[in-house]
Amino acid sequence: KNQVEQSPQSLIILEGKNCTLQCNYTVSPFSNLRWYKQDTGRGPVSLTIMTFSENTKSNGRYTATLDADTKQSSLHITASQLSDSASYICVVSVRGNAGNMLTFGGGTRLMVKP
Amino acid sequence: DAGVIQSPRHEVTEMGQEVTLRCKPISGHDYLFWYRQTMMRGLELLIYFNNNVPIDDSGMPEDRFSAKMPNASFSTLKIQPSEPRDSAVYFCASSFLGVWETQYFGPGTRLLVL
Repeated sequence: KNQVEQSPQSLIILEGKNCTLQCNYTVSPFSNLRWYKQDTGRGPVSLTIMTFSENTKSNGRYTATLDADTKQSSLHITASQLSDSASYICVVSVRGNAGNMLTFGGGTRLMVKP
Repeated sequence: DAGVIQSPRHEVTEMGQEVTLRCKPISGHDYLFWYRQTMMRGLELLIYFNNNVPIDDSGMPEDRFSAKMPNASFSTLKIQPSEPRDSAVYFCASSFLGVWETQYFGPGTRLLVL
């Protein structure tokens, strides 16, 4: 069964600190992995996308890594800001399946405190 | 472009009533997605369309749910009859070229069924 597990479920950090969010998946065959940021009361917004051959992808203070062998991805946030408070959702896609082609993680809720 | 537009933003209804959610995708996007998000289940893909044709509706929970896309600029998600367990935030998203391409989400419709 295709699954995407995220950890931790929630995280509180102080402004300026770094943090790392984890995403483990069992989806096969893997196509790509995407991280979304979802602010409270809004729709998700794509942060990064990585294919099988990519190990790392950056978007400003956000850096995503992918280890296709261990089926793990991480999202590292550097020098956190209050505006980073949001839910972060990992989504893995399977190309070519007849059924549901996207598998979503449950998300990590991040709170950045001053 | 105004982005993906959804209406209404909030809906409160009584059990048994019909609910219709509306979505206008980004102009030029040929894929449209309907999602449901709850605290318990996270983000779930209900159905998606390509060029106005439903491609995968395996995520639609039951026959009470139906979705249509009569033209490239409009889609509806209908629940009839509604039940309290349908209470959730419903998102519409659109993308260009594929399921695995960046999806742009609307602001969502927050539905409460009493």
